[in-house]
Amino acid sequence: EPEVTQTPSHQVTQMGQEVILRCVPISNHLYFYWYRQILGQKVEFLVSFYNNEISEKSEIFDDQFSVERPDGSNFTLKIRSTKLEDSAMYFCASSERGHNNQPQHFGDGTRLSIL
Amino acid sequence: SQKIEQNSEALNIQEGKTATLTCNYTNYSPAYLQWYRQDPGRGPVFLLLIRENEKEKRKERLKVTFDTTLKQSLFHITASQPADSATYLCALDDDSARQLTFGSGTQLTVLP
Repeated sequence: EPEVTQTPSHQVTQMGQEVILRCVPISNHLYFYWYRQILGQKVEFLVSFYNNEISEKSEIFDDQFSVERPDGSNFTLKIRSTKLEDSAMYFCASSERGHNNQPQHFGDGTRLSIL
Repeated sequence: SQKIEQNSEALNIQEGKTATLTCNYTNYSPAYLQWYRQDPGRGPVFLLLIRENEKEKRKERLKVTFDTTLKQSLFHITASQPADSATYLCALDDDSARQLTFGSGTQLTVLP
């Protein structure tokens, strides 16, 4: 069964550094998402992406965050200048069609640790 | 303010019994509600989706109900097994916000 893959599985970065998290969504999916989960807390929506542009974003997704689909397979999340509070699991997800009535397929996440 | 509440943080049941998990919401008008399973250190895995005009949906040992009057969904696992032990998340859309919002989850432990 096709799956969403994320790399790296664990990223340790100094505060203030830039970090890029990578995802390969399922190949025939058209909608892509990033979520984060701070340890012990709920999964929180960050951003959705369709047709090479952001379709929705949450209040968490401020100017420090950006997303990109640099080629036909990868989907990336960049945090420009990391803060301690950015430490969390970051999940990428994809769905075949639009968000609300479609199951979302999640990767196993990147654990981001900011020192 | 908008809120999604799942009945309890942890639920322990004996193997073979039916587990019932609750998801209540306030100040949402979801057209769809989804249930996911999350194992430690893993991403959520989709289980079931139910539409607002559907009262009940089943898949093997799983059953979901959706009551838009009570603003509640119930998630049942019949003939539970230790392998069903995980955290179960409900998630709903908010058509005005057009994003999927998750509850905090219920950690289910099925005891052998």
